[in-house]
Amino acid sequence: AQKITQTQPGMFVQEKEAVTLDCTYDTSDQSYGLFWYKQPSSGEMIFLIYQGSYDEQNATEGRYSLNFQKARKSANLVISASQLGDSAMYFCAMREGFSGGSEKLVFGKGTKLTVNP
Amino acid sequence: EAEVAQSPRYKITEKSQAVAFWCDPISGHATLYWYRQILGQGPELLVQFQDESVVDDSQLPKDRFSAERLKGVDSTLKIQPAELGDSAMYLCASSLVTSGSSYNEQFFGPGTRLTVL
Repeated sequence: AQKITQTQPGMFVQEKEAVTLDCTYDTSDQSYGLFWYKQPSSGEMIFLIYQGSYDEQNATEGRYSLNFQKARKSANLVISASQLGDSAMYFCAMREGFSGGSEKLVFGKGTKLTVNP
Repeated sequence: EAEVAQSPRYKITEKSQAVAFWCDPISGHATLYWYRQILGQGPELLVQFQDESVVDDSQLPKDRFSAERLKGVDSTLKIQPAELGDSAMYLCASSLVTSGSSYNEQFFGPGTRLTVL
């Protein structure tokens, strides 16, 4: 079973509008972290926002917020006031295993966001 | 601002040839990761180093791939011989905080885009 599921291969939004990118995850760990990265066409992965499994409040970073619903195992990214420069691939990722050993991020397949003028 | 450096940015090679990629993490980052990203997919971890030691190489095709981080600083990923299916983006990342912390932001380099003909 996939650990990270992003069901939206592509999304379109009008400039200045808000958009929600979906992410669901699967883990049996109690302690884990959820990340969102942006990947422009240049290829570099840019960190956007982080949510820890024990964080009681939803994370926010500027125009980015994370709608964390732990019981539903979802961690949707909300981008407010979309800008043309937001057009990119967006990846949801999860980190498990804080007790040592591998600390890899497991990524979803991504959502391609296009912001229209 | 400190960045993860990778070279080359682009590499075209013929199958059965050897290729090597280099990564220089952010100064002071003890943990280094190599990810492979196939077109249309999210990155997948190939190998993780903690200083000069391999922590996780479970997804590294060891018959043709090798990775080293001899002095615990920069790292080289080698493929020999290259196959058509190795065409992908190879991303290097580094992080400062190690095990025991739920928040462990990984900083990514610009990647090396490999094309095998």
